[in-house]
Amino acid sequence: SQKIEQNSEALNIQEGKTATLTCNYTNYSPAYLQWYRQDPGRGPVFLLLIRENEKEKRKERLKVTFDTTLKQSLFHITASQPADSATYLCVRTSGGSYIPTFGRGTSLIVHP
Amino acid sequence: KAGVTQTPRYLIKTRGQQVTLSCSPISGHRSVSWYQQTPGQGLQFLFEYFSETQRNKGNFPGRFSGRQFSNSRSEMNVSTLELGDSALYLCASSLTPGGSHEQYFGPGTRLTVT
Repeated sequence: SQKIEQNSEALNIQEGKTATLTCNYTNYSPAYLQWYRQDPGRGPVFLLLIRENEKEKRKERLKVTFDTTLKQSLFHITASQPADSATYLCVRTSGGSYIPTFGRGTSLIVHP
Repeated sequence: KAGVTQTPRYLIKTRGQQVTLSCSPISGHRSVSWYQQTPGQGLQFLFEYFSETQRNKGNFPGRFSGRQFSNSRSEMNVSTLELGDSALYLCASSLTPGGSHEQYFGPGTRLTVT
């Protein structure tokens, strides 16, 4: 079965630094990897989508990479702010008939 | 544009009962997916509907079922509730099925089974 692994330990960083979150997958590369943010008691909010044939995607302070050799996606938040504190979820999807698989998420805590 | 809405937001049921949850997708979105979120298992895919047809189903027992109407609104039903069904049930809508586009999640329905 396809798995997604995210660091279960919370990531604590200082305001202004770059946060880097890791998502590792097993078996074949998914057609798409997506990143979502989730705040307590709320539904996930879409952040970025990257396709298998893309190396990198950016949106404002956010950047995601996709390395099919390492079977890994990295999610970066530059110039982090306390408001960025949340749980970040990675999900693999493959188009067509698919079962989206979510990682357990990594909690990011940005200290002022 | 209005977001995804889910009703009810909170529900308390007794073991053995059944429950129906409702989801209204973003206007123009024809794909609706349902997920169960628990502290122990995280977010798990239940099923996806597109144009009133179930396209995919996750690894859940037959007690979990769903349907989609012609206006893309969707309902999911859980029969013979068990304590382990207590969870946050999330609905998400998307332009197309299959995960090639982002999903927009609703606020969820918090189901407690006693």
